[in-house]
Amino acid sequence: DTGVSQDPRHKITKRGQNVTFRCDPISEHNRLYWYRQTLGQGPEFLTYFQNEAQLEKSRLLSDRFSAERPKGSFSTLEIQRTEQGDSAMYLCASSSAPGTASSYEQYFGPGTRLTVT
Amino acid sequence: AQKITQTQPGMFVQEKEAVTLDCTYDTSDQSYGLFWYKQPSSGEMIFLIYQGSYDEQNATEGRYSLNFQKARKSANLVISASQLGDSAMYFCAMREGWGDYKLSFGAGTTVTVRA
Repeated sequence: DTGVSQDPRHKITKRGQNVTFRCDPISEHNRLYWYRQTLGQGPEFLTYFQNEAQLEKSRLLSDRFSAERPKGSFSTLEIQRTEQGDSAMYLCASSSAPGTASSYEQYFGPGTRLTVT
Repeated sequence: AQKITQTQPGMFVQEKEAVTLDCTYDTSDQSYGLFWYKQPSSGEMIFLIYQGSYDEQNATEGRYSLNFQKARKSANLVISASQLGDSAMYFCAMREGWGDYKLSFGAGTTVTVRA
């Protein structure tokens, strides 16, 4: 078990460019979550998937943000027309299906740090 | 309204001493869960301890214990016998309802352990 992985770990982009991040959850986990963490703050929920279905999106997820999990395995988070306010750490987490042992526990990846210049 | 409040932005503790990190929460759900995560300077979020709203006993995991006071809506983390490696940011978080496991986090408390 290699844990949750995220790629890239760091991304520097210019304002107005599009960026895409990838998250690979723990293989047997069917729930996948995206959070955003700005400097000095706690993570904020963005969206989550159960298998390939996106079940909830936060109001923080503007129209410029889109997330997919096409085959219920890895997920991508795309930000279009990036703004300086998008600079943050983007964290991915996964958990097992509700009702299974320790399903409440979310395992976090190392994050992707985005800097928009 | 803030769902999780951590009022201590930073704390210093002497090595081998115990430290208590405060967390209060706000929810109208009967079923909820409270978590504590550790985030070292490297950035990864490390799960420490969990308390369910129906759990009658306070959760313990090694040197970590959660002081759960339901009527006061508080879930304080106690770290006993602090070690230098405990220096990190600590976040309290909550999930609400049945089957909904998204987390709401507090602003965090920075703990610095002094030798």
